[in-house]
Amino acid sequence: GAVVSQHPSWVICKSGTSVKIECRSLDFQATTMFWYRQFPKQSLMLMATSNEGSKATYEQGVEKDKFLINHASLTLSTLTVTSAHPEDSSFYICSAMAPMSHEQYFGPGTRLTVT
Amino acid sequence: AQSVTQLGSHVSVSEGALVLLRCNYSSSVPPYLFWYVQYPNQGLQLLLKYTSAATLVKGINGFEAEFKKSETSFHLTKPSAHMSDAAEYFCAVSPGGNNRLAFGKGNQVVVIP
Repeated sequence: GAVVSQHPSWVICKSGTSVKIECRSLDFQATTMFWYRQFPKQSLMLMATSNEGSKATYEQGVEKDKFLINHASLTLSTLTVTSAHPEDSSFYICSAMAPMSHEQYFGPGTRLTVT
Repeated sequence: AQSVTQLGSHVSVSEGALVLLRCNYSSSVPPYLFWYVQYPNQGLQLLLKYTSAATLVKGINGFEAEFKKSETSFHLTKPSAHMSDAAEYFCAVSPGGNNRLAFGKGNQVVVIP
C-alpha cells in the first residue's frame, strides 16, 4: 500500500524558535496533502490543505503566518511552526491524497514539545 | 459545518465477542463516511468508506459498517473480536466527498483474552 512518512517523529524545541516538519509520500505523487493537529484525548483537527505549486488553504482559526506550509514537489510538503510557544505543543499528522482514488494515506505523526 | 460524535473513549471487548463502535455525524450535504484504525506508532489506515453507493459497507479485517441516513449513523461492527483488533478507531465525515475530513475523538479498543 501507499506509504507516507513524517520527519522527525518527535521534536523538542525552545519557546521562540521555529520547527520544520516534513511529510513525504514515498511511492506515489500527491498534488494534495493535508495537515492535522491532535490534542491528547481529542480528535484530529484539519489545519490546512496543501496543494503542490500553490498556496495552502487554511481552516478557519488557523494562523497562516504561524503555521507555514510549503508543497514544493509532488512528494513533499513541509509545515513550519514559527516562533513556537508551549501552546503549540501537540501531535501533528499529515496525509497525502492518492491521485486516482482520492484516498488519504496518513503519516505516523510528529510529536512537538515546546519548552 | 460537519461533525462526528463517537461516545466512549475506551471500549473493552472479550475475545470472540461482537465489536460495536458507534458513530453519529452531522453534515449539511450528503456525506462520505470513513472508519480508520490506528496502531501504535503507525499512521491511520482506512478500514472502510461509504460514498453514496451500498449502505452496508464491508472493509478489511472483517469489519463492516452500515450507513443509516434516518439515524445519521455509521456504526462499525465485527462479529468476533481478535486480539489483533486492539487499536484506536476513528470515524470521519467528508461533506459531499470534498476531501476535507472531520474526525471523531476516537475509540481505544481493548480486547480481553
